[in-house]
Amino acid sequence: GQSLEQPSEVTAVEGAIVQINCTYQTSGFYGLSWYQQHDGGAPTFLSYNALDGLEETGRFSSFLSRSDSYGYLLLQELQMKDSASYFCAGPRAARQLTFGSGTQLTVLP
Amino acid sequence: DSGVTQTPKHLITATGQRVTLRCSPRSGDLSVYWYQQSLDQGLQFLIQYYNGEERAKGNILERFSAQQFPDLHSELNLSSLELGDSALYFCASSVGDSGRAGETQYFGPGTRLLVL
Repeated sequence: GQSLEQPSEVTAVEGAIVQINCTYQTSGFYGLSWYQQHDGGAPTFLSYNALDGLEETGRFSSFLSRSDSYGYLLLQELQMKDSASYFCAGPRAARQLTFGSGTQLTVLP
Repeated sequence: DSGVTQTPKHLITATGQRVTLRCSPRSGDLSVYWYQQSLDQGLQFLIQYYNGEERAKGNILERFSAQQFPDLHSELNLSSLELGDSALYFCASSVGDSGRAGETQYFGPGTRLLVL
């Protein structure tokens, strides 16, 4: 089976940097994705790591270490609008996407 | 706006009833995925269709069924509804068939179902 574990909550202040970790247990691994979801809204794609290393997209970066079954999402220069839930997601099989339970990020002024 | 549309936005019904949720994928996307999100279960993959054919099944109950039509819109049918079926139901679409982590899935705004 497959499971992805993330912290349930993270709190940080505006302008700070925050890291949201994701550890997984799986076989047939294809990579790790990150999605953002604001309260009551639709999840939106943030990033994908197919290989080990860091992927940067603006203020957001995502890292993957397949040997450690570990990844993280790094958010820099936090803004109030970044307050949301963040999900890591990985495939259970070639066609399925399994989501972690989500991390609720609260950005304080 | 992801380009994925879902109707209705809200649905209130009673236990034992049957409802149909509708999804139209982004223009050009051939895959449609259905997810259920409840407070205690997170986002759960239900089923995927690609160009009209079922491609993958997740934790979908036998009381639930789905189909994708020739115009690529999809419907999720929920029958013999129970209180525990109350949740947000999301549809997502992607261009291809893989459903892999690397292929971006675009989510619709969801249908909030409340079973009383």
